[in-house]
Amino acid sequence: AQTVTQSQPEMSVQEAETVTLSCTYDTSESDYYLFWYKQPPSRQMILVIRQEAYKQQNATENRFSVNFQKAAKSFSLKISDSQLGDAAMYFCAYHPVPGGSQGNLIFGKGTKLSVKP
Amino acid sequence: GAGVSQTPSNKVTEKGKYVELRCDPISGHTALYWYRQSLGQGPEFLIYFQGTGAADDSGLPNDRFFAVRPEGSVSTLKIQRTERGDSAVYLCASSLCVPCYNEQFFGPGTRLTVL
Repeated sequence: AQTVTQSQPEMSVQEAETVTLSCTYDTSESDYYLFWYKQPPSRQMILVIRQEAYKQQNATENRFSVNFQKAAKSFSLKISDSQLGDAAMYFCAYHPVPGGSQGNLIFGKGTKLSVKP
Repeated sequence: GAGVSQTPSNKVTEKGKYVELRCDPISGHTALYWYRQSLGQGPEFLIYFQGTGAADDSGLPNDRFFAVRPEGSVSTLKIQRTERGDSAVYLCASSLCVPCYNEQFFGPGTRLTVL
């Protein structure tokens, strides 16, 4: 079974600085998607960034970028120029290969990010 | 446009009672998912629907949990004989298709507290 591990329960960053959140996963599949979701106190999960496993190029979305290391099964999120609004829980998620009836996301336990003014 | 909505926002019930949690997906989204998020944990998959049928209910913890989506839009998660261990946030999500890699759009969740 696939698993997702986030080894940092909490992280803190100074406003305008850069922070990296770690994620590792375990799978025997060669094709899959990886996601980072943000969950503020409102509980609404918001997609931050998505990476296709077959693409070697790391995904970027404005201040958010990933470091995808397929062989190491590592998928870290870098947040540049951190803003107060970035404070939230961040979840790494794995999407199994589509086939049969699979379609659900598998989440890590999350990392709580605090941003200091 | 409207996002995924869930009602109620909070539900407090007593052990042994029956509860229903409702999810309204984004219009046109054929796939609908239910997840359960316990305190300090990431969401855990319960069930998902493709149209009206449950395509995968392997995440439902036991037969006290049941979900329906009779017309392929609104879904109801039903929990019988609630237990204190059922206390969690229940999240609903929808997407345009499954299986596919489209983004899942989440609702704000229902916080269930079983006393």
